[in-house]
Amino acid sequence: NAGVTQTPKFQVLKTGQSMTLQCAQDMNHEYMSWYRQDPGMGLRLIHYSVGAGITDQGEVPNGYNVSRSTTEDFPLRLLSAAPSQTSVYFCASSYDGAQETQYFGPGTRLLVL
Amino acid sequence: AQTVTQSQPEMSVQEAETVTLSCTYDTSESDYYLFWYKQPPSRQMILVIRQEAYKQQNATENRFSVNFQKAAKSFSLKISDSQLGDAAMYFCAYSNSGYALNFGKGTSLLVTP
Repeated sequence: NAGVTQTPKFQVLKTGQSMTLQCAQDMNHEYMSWYRQDPGMGLRLIHYSVGAGITDQGEVPNGYNVSRSTTEDFPLRLLSAAPSQTSVYFCASSYDGAQETQYFGPGTRLLVL
Repeated sequence: AQTVTQSQPEMSVQEAETVTLSCTYDTSESDYYLFWYKQPPSRQMILVIRQEAYKQQNATENRFSVNFQKAAKSFSLKISDSQLGDAAMYFCAYSNSGYALNFGKGTSLLVTP
């Protein structure tokens, strides 16, 4: 099993550009989530999904969109990147929800100029 | 959102010694889950230990154990026989809904030979 994979590992964007951060898991997990990690801030929840076709907002959803068309994939879209979105992004999954052990991807480092 | 507080931004321990990392949380719920996650320099988030609030017995995983004080809303992590590989950022996290995991800001642990 590959576990949770994220692409790309690192990306530089210009302000106003759009991009999609990819996340996939091969463990048949129902719950998937996206976090951003900023220095001194811990991890903050952006969006989560409890199953295919079901998504909801977390603590810091503004500027981000998600969809969940399959159990395996949970992409995060930045429609118009801003310097405030410079961060490290983590995708995580678990069998049944946030109360379970989360399996994290390796992270995507995003720099918005 | 529930608040998770880690009051020690940095801690240091000598190899083979014991160190305790502090975590407090704020909640009005009686049933919830608490976690400690480790983030080494590789940035990969790894579960250290998980505690279910309805279980009075403190969770242990090899050299890692917790002191869970439900009334005081305290959840400290004790690392015994510290090793160089324990050097990392440690995050305390809370979940009660199955939908969201709330993280503290982290404690950076330095292990000295």
